[in-house]
Amino acid sequence: DQQVKQNSPSLSVQEGRISILNCDYTNSMFDYFLWYKKYPAEGPTFLISISSIKDKNEDGRFTVFLNKSAKHLSLHIVPSQPGDSAVYFCAASDYQLIWGAGTKLIIKP
Amino acid sequence: EAQVTQNPRYLITVTGKKLTVTCSQNMNHEYMSWYRQDPGLGLRQIYYSMNVEVTDKGDVPEGYKVSRKEKRNFPLILESPSPNQTSLYFCASSLNRLSYEQYFGPGTRLTVT
Repeated sequence: DQQVKQNSPSLSVQEGRISILNCDYTNSMFDYFLWYKKYPAEGPTFLISISSIKDKNEDGRFTVFLNKSAKHLSLHIVPSQPGDSAVYFCAASDYQLIWGAGTKLIIKP
Repeated sequence: EAQVTQNPRYLITVTGKKLTVTCSQNMNHEYMSWYRQDPGLGLRQIYYSMNVEVTDKGDVPEGYKVSRKEKRNFPLILESPSPNQTSLYFCASSLNRLSYEQYFGPGTRLTVT
């Protein structure tokens, strides 16, 4: 049973528009959530995180929102740029990291 | 440059032939781990190590071994590889067990025929 789910395998967005990537989780004990970005032939790199005591965290063009009642996490990228094309993983932690399957984001010029 | 290195990057082998994938980090991190990535399943942890000589099983440890004799190195050993171990493998390190931000190596794509 997957505790962290990214239901969209892929997402295509026009350059300059907002990209919204979603992640759902089932375990209410998760206390920390992270987003990683992965380019082809490279390992994932840390992007942004949020503690369960917060509902929003912002870092430049990237904002993560946490809705604990809905057990839902989202990553907003504004404005989207071609270099944002990558696979995005969400991960959640209680004592270990549990990863979603990833969403491939394609930014169209 | 701070980095995690893995070797080899690509490997094709046959069932039963022992192999080792090396992992090394130059950041003096205490915590290291191995993951496998399979389509539709995300990253699953195989083994982790909280420090030298301290290792423990992750979610999918069957068929794998690890060792941590030095802080910088954390090799993954497949004593008798099988086709269901065909996967993309990542080594990762972080400052310690409580540090969620992990640094990943570039990955090793393993094919077992």
